Amino acid sequence: EDQVTQSPEALRLQEGESSSLNCSYTVSGLRGLFWYRQDPGKGPEFLFTLYSAGEEKEKERLKATLTKKESFLHITAPKPEDSATYLCAVQRIIQGAQKLVFGQGTRLTINP
Amino acid sequence: NAGVTQTPKFQVLKTGQSMTLQCAQDMNHNSMYWYRQDPGMGLRLIYYSASEGTTDKGEVPNGYNVSRLNKREFSLRLESAAPSQTSVYFCASSVISYNEQFFGPGTRLTVL
Repeated sequence: EDQVTQSPEALRLQEGESSSLNCSYTVSGLRGLFWYRQDPGKGPEFLFTLYSAGEEKEKERLKATLTKKESFLHITAPKPEDSATYLCAVQRIIQGAQKLVFGQGTRLTINP
Repeated sequence: NAGVTQTPKFQVLKTGQSMTLQCAQDMNHNSMYWYRQDPGMGLRLIYYSASEGTTDKGEVPNGYNVSRLNKREFSLRLESAAPSQTSVYFCASSVISYNEQFFGPGTRLTVL
């Protein structure tokens, strides 16, 4: 059965304190892995897509990496505005259609 | 460019009532999706439409129906609401079914 597990469930950091969020998955036929950011009361906002092991993508203070079994979202010198829930999702193609399987998210809080 | 819009934003129903959640996108995307988000469960796919004129079941379709009215609009109908359908509902769209998905702001539904 497809499974996506994110850890930790919640993380509290001080401003400027770098850390990493983990997304591990067991999926057959993985086509891609997506990272989203979700602010309270809003819909998820797309951040990155990773397609193959070894791939890395960066955006401002965020860098996403992918291995064969997990992905990391590295946050460098975070600011309070980086506080949000970060979701990862793995993409499978089933009968020609895309299916996304989401993890439960990591709730990140950055204290000033 | 409004992106993905959803109406209503909030709704309270009594058990057994029916309602339709509306979703529209102005990005000329071909694929559209309905998800529900529950605490501790992550986002789960209810139904999707890979292209205009087609719809398919997702992970949790029971109790729901959908209509792809045209390329822009994808509605979700609850025929006889149950308390278990209390959730936050998100609509999403993508250029084609293999690309990243863009989400609407959500509808918060409570069934009493």
